[in-house]
Amino acid sequence: DVKVTQSSRYLVKRTGEKVFLECVQDMDHENMFWYRQDPGLGLRLIYFSYDVKMKEKGDIPEGYSVSREKKERFSLILESASTNQTSMYLCASSLGANTGELFFGEGSRLTVL
Amino acid sequence: GQNIDQPTEMTATEGAIVQINCTYQTSGFNGLFWYQQHAGEAPTFLSYNVLDGLEEKGRFSSFLSRSKGYSYLLLKELQMKDSASYLCAVSYYGQNFVFGPGTRLSVLP
Repeated sequence: DVKVTQSSRYLVKRTGEKVFLECVQDMDHENMFWYRQDPGLGLRLIYFSYDVKMKEKGDIPEGYSVSREKKERFSLILESASTNQTSMYLCASSLGANTGELFFGEGSRLTVL
Repeated sequence: GQNIDQPTEMTATEGAIVQINCTYQTSGFNGLFWYQQHAGEAPTFLSYNVLDGLEEKGRFSSFLSRSKGYSYLLLKELQMKDSASYLCAVSYYGQNFVFGPGTRLSVLP
């Protein structure tokens, strides 16, 4: 079965802390994505990666960075968390260009106090 | 720019048929997807249209008209477990997926 695993379901952090959200997929997918989901705003793309060490900014990259050192792993980093980054973060992967749907992880609900 | 619209909420009765619409002002995408998301869970894939027309998958069907900038998801024989949010998304050749705001469907007994 296809699997996208996010490291933490729930996190509580303080303003200014550095936050790492990890995502691993076991499907040998080329593309990986980080979205945040907020009520009324839907899913918004933060960053995506179409290859190891490659990354592209999405619609809302400010305040975030990403790392893809290995094909199966895509990390989202909040260098200095702020309260407006309280959200549900969803990682997803897809097979490659022109193909396939997104497979999502279970999500990581981050609260920044 | 990309602009995808869906109704915020819909209500329907168990056993009925419901149509959830998705309108968009964007071009250059190669496919339109529909996802289901239950509260507190990840979205799961329902249906996908590349060409104009109707795609049927059991109780769920999806329709696309590129000339009209319009898609819909049709759910037949509604069940209580169909209460969820339904997300429409356009795919740009697998390297970017842009989502609509989602429609929350409540199925009543």
